[in-house]
Amino acid sequence: DVKVTQSSRYLVKRTGEKVFLECVQDMDHENMFWYRQDPGLGLRLIYFSYDVKMKEKGDIPEGYSVSREKKERFSLILESASTNQTSMYLCASSSTSPTYEQYFGPGTRLTVT
Amino acid sequence: QKEVEQNSGPLSVPEGAIASLNCTYSDRGSQSFFWYRQYSGKSPELIMSIYSNGDKEDGRFTAQLNKASQYVSLLIRDSQPSDSATYLCAVKEAGGGNKLTFGTGTQLKVEL
Repeated sequence: DVKVTQSSRYLVKRTGEKVFLECVQDMDHENMFWYRQDPGLGLRLIYFSYDVKMKEKGDIPEGYSVSREKKERFSLILESASTNQTSMYLCASSSTSPTYEQYFGPGTRLTVT
Repeated sequence: QKEVEQNSGPLSVPEGAIASLNCTYSDRGSQSFFWYRQYSGKSPELIMSIYSNGDKEDGRFTAQLNKASQYVSLLIRDSQPSDSATYLCAVKEAGGGNKLTFGTGTQLKVEL
C-alpha cells in the first residue's frame, strides 16, 4: 500500500514565523503535490514537483515555497506565516503514466495566530 | 479555465438505497477520472479510477464514464451510514502534465 506521511497533524504558529511542513512517501513516486483545503473552496494546488530539485507553481503559490532534495520528501515552507494561511494542508504523491492516481497524506491542520 | 463541477449537496438517501453522485468536466481531451471519499476532518481517500467509457464496478461502488457527454458518475449501492462523507471527483486533463483537477465535492448523507 502507498503510504504518505506528514510531519504534524496539528500545528499552531504565530504570525511572521517561518513554518516547515514535511511530506514523505514510500512508493518511489515521481510526482508530489501540496494542496490547501478550505471550507467552500475545495482543494487548491499550491506547488508540485515532477522530480528531485524540480518544482512548479500551482494555482496559489504566493506566500509559499517548496523544496525537494530527495525523491521521497517534499517540503512546504511558509516564509512568514499569516493568519490567512490558517488551513488544512494536504500532501499527495503519484506515479506518472498510465494511472496518475494521487494518494494523500493525513493532512496538517495549521493555525496561525 | 478547465473545470470539474459537482453539486455540493447535501445529497440525502435512506439506508439501503442507491446513491448517485455526478460530475461534469470541461476538457474534452481528459483521459483519466477518479473518485475520492473524504470524511470530515480527514484526507481524501481514492476509491475508484476509470479510464474508458462504460461502467466499472468494485464492490458496492460503480463508476460510470461517458466521454461524449463529458460526465462521470459514482453509484453506491446499498448505502450505509458509514458512506456519509464528501465525494470528490478528479480529472486528469489532456496537456495538464501530471496534475489532477478536483471538483469541490458532493456531501452525501445516508440516513437511518
